[in-house]
Amino acid sequence: AQSVTQLDSHVSVSEGTPVLLRCNYSSSYSPSLFWYVQHPNKGLQLLLKYTSAATLVKGINGFEAEFKKSETSFHLTKPSAHMSDAAEYFCVVSVHTGSARQLTFGSGTQLTVLP
Amino acid sequence: EAQVTQNPRYLITVTGKKLTVTCSQNMNHEYMSWYRQDPGLGLRQIYYSMNVEVTDKGDVPEGYKVSRKEKRNFPLILESPSPNQTSLYFCASSLVAAANTGELFFGEGSRLTVL
Repeated sequence: AQSVTQLDSHVSVSEGTPVLLRCNYSSSYSPSLFWYVQHPNKGLQLLLKYTSAATLVKGINGFEAEFKKSETSFHLTKPSAHMSDAAEYFCVVSVHTGSARQLTFGSGTQLTVLP
Repeated sequence: EAQVTQNPRYLITVTGKKLTVTCSQNMNHEYMSWYRQDPGLGLRQIYYSMNVEVTDKGDVPEGYKVSRKEKRNFPLILESPSPNQTSLYFCASSLVAAANTGELFFGEGSRLTVL
């Protein structure tokens, strides 16, 4: 079984300042990890993914995340927030167990960007 | 354009009146899945399908049915809706060949209210 914990339900930053959204996971298998973003009234869109290659992963819109196995973490960062980054962000663990694929979503982090 | 299409996008119904939410994808994906999104709970998987005629329960299957008669379609059926099924529903698809590394493509969601 796997689980995902997003440590902050809400994060508020000023435009131009760094963003840090925290995600911890647990899994009995070697997982793939994803970050998705959801803008209001929209479906989820992939930001980036980790699939056992490089531990520092770069995604769209200047976001990146670092996979730290020893800390079981996959935190999402961006050096400088933009107003358009305001959205809800989901960390996702994916495990393929033979014939099935299991995905577990975190409860989400709402990012507010202040002018 | 590659997309996952859900219908209806908004629906208000009454307890016990059967309804179907359709989902169609045009990317020839084998894997399709339904999620419900509730505040503070993230996305929870209802049912998924690894291919035609192959479906399996997710984390919260009670009160729902699905079918996968064609590769592109994966309808969600509520035989006798109840108020606790009021939620935002998402359909998603991906390639099975990508195992647990494949990006999920999401529809824009269907907001269901059961009175």
